[in-house]
Amino acid sequence: NAGVTQTPKFRILKIGQSMTLQCTQDMNHNYMYWYRQDPGMGLKLIYYSVGAGITDKGEVPNGYNVSRSTTEDFPLRLELAAPSQTSVYFCASSPGNQNEKLFFGSGTQLSVL
Amino acid sequence: AQTVTQSQPEMSVQEAETVTLSCTYDTSESNYYLFWYKQPPSRQMILVIRQEAYKQQNATENRFSVNFQKAAKSFSLKISDSQLGDTAMYFCAFMKQGGSEKLVFGKGTKLTVNP
Repeated sequence: NAGVTQTPKFRILKIGQSMTLQCTQDMNHNYMYWYRQDPGMGLKLIYYSVGAGITDKGEVPNGYNVSRSTTEDFPLRLELAAPSQTSVYFCASSPGNQNEKLFFGSGTQLSVL
Repeated sequence: AQTVTQSQPEMSVQEAETVTLSCTYDTSESNYYLFWYKQPPSRQMILVIRQEAYKQQNATENRFSVNFQKAAKSFSLKISDSQLGDTAMYFCAFMKQGGSEKLVFGKGTKLTVNP
């Protein structure tokens, strides 16, 4: 089982560039999440999805967009990258059946210079 | 909104000794779950232990145990017989029951186990 797979693992962007962070899971989980982790801080929720076609904002959604066209994939789009978006990004998934256990990907280190 | 506070940014312990990490939270919810996650230098998020708020009995997983005080909104993690592999960031997290299973994290405690 691959679990939750994130690509790329590392990326450097210039200010104003755009990119998509990919996330896919092979566990047929309904719920998926994007978190960001700034240095010395805990993880903060950017966006989440409870099923294909359904997305909702988390605590820090500004500057990001998401889509959920399939159960497996939950890409995160950064438009007009800014230095404040330098962070480690984690994707996670959960069965959504009151299991309450999240499965995390290994993270993407993004630097915006 | 829920908040989670970890008041110890860094802690250290000698190998084989016991250490306790503190966590407090604020919520008006009655039904919820609390978690401790470990993040080693590899960056992977690893679930250490989980507690259901409706259970009075404290959760235990091998060398890891919690002291859950619901009235005080306190949820500390005790690590017994500390090992070098326990060196990591530890995050306390809150999840409202039935709330799309979103986690709210504290800022973390960096634990170093010294040989």
